[in-house]
Amino acid sequence: DTEVTQTPKHLVMGMTNKKSLKCEQHMGHRAMYWYKQKAKKPPELMFVYSYEKLSINESVPSRFSPECPNSSLLNLHLHALQPEDSALYLCASSVRMDNYNEQFFGPGTRLTVL
Amino acid sequence: EDQVTQSPEALRLQEGESSSLNCSYTVSGLRGLFWYRQDPGKGPEFLFTLYSAGEEKEKERLKATLTKKESFLHITAPKPEDSATYLCAVNIGTYKYIFGTGTRLKVLA
Repeated sequence: DTEVTQTPKHLVMGMTNKKSLKCEQHMGHRAMYWYKQKAKKPPELMFVYSYEKLSINESVPSRFSPECPNSSLLNLHLHALQPEDSALYLCASSVRMDNYNEQFFGPGTRLTVL
Repeated sequence: EDQVTQSPEALRLQEGESSSLNCSYTVSGLRGLFWYRQDPGKGPEFLFTLYSAGEEKEKERLKATLTKKESFLHITAPKPEDSATYLCAVNIGTYKYIFGTGTRLKVLA
């Protein structure tokens, strides 16, 4: 299985809602990433988990809360988002964080904040 | 400052018209250079990894090459289904992947 899956595909939420994005991989990768991508822009790194521990937080606002319950699963909890948070949220994984390997990306969740 | 620049920003080709996309980088220590293809609204799809100058990788109509300052993605006899945004990214450290802004390729039938 060489796939990263993400659910849901699309999400519309109000500014007072709480929702979660889910990412799963079964490739045995030990590094997992959350990226945010705006239209016609490259992906921007948000968080990195290495061996289920948060290693990198790129100064992301606290309304985004990541969680890594096990080595295959990565969640992103959303609360009190702003309209400017609307974007494509991408999950990726790689063999290890300290191994200079390629990342494999999921299909993304298209988030719209009203 | 570490930087990755892709050119051109957009490219329109006729079917069968070969061309090259450029990824120039100024980084303190290149650990790997990666090419991805991204279709609209989808996640990037991994294409190639290059680690050292002189390295080349090929896959169907695509060929990636690497020098000490830049990488090229050569597209030979492209087809309409090759239309996508092509992203390059460099790894310069333990977690640091820097992405270029991409080249939007449109291949006309």
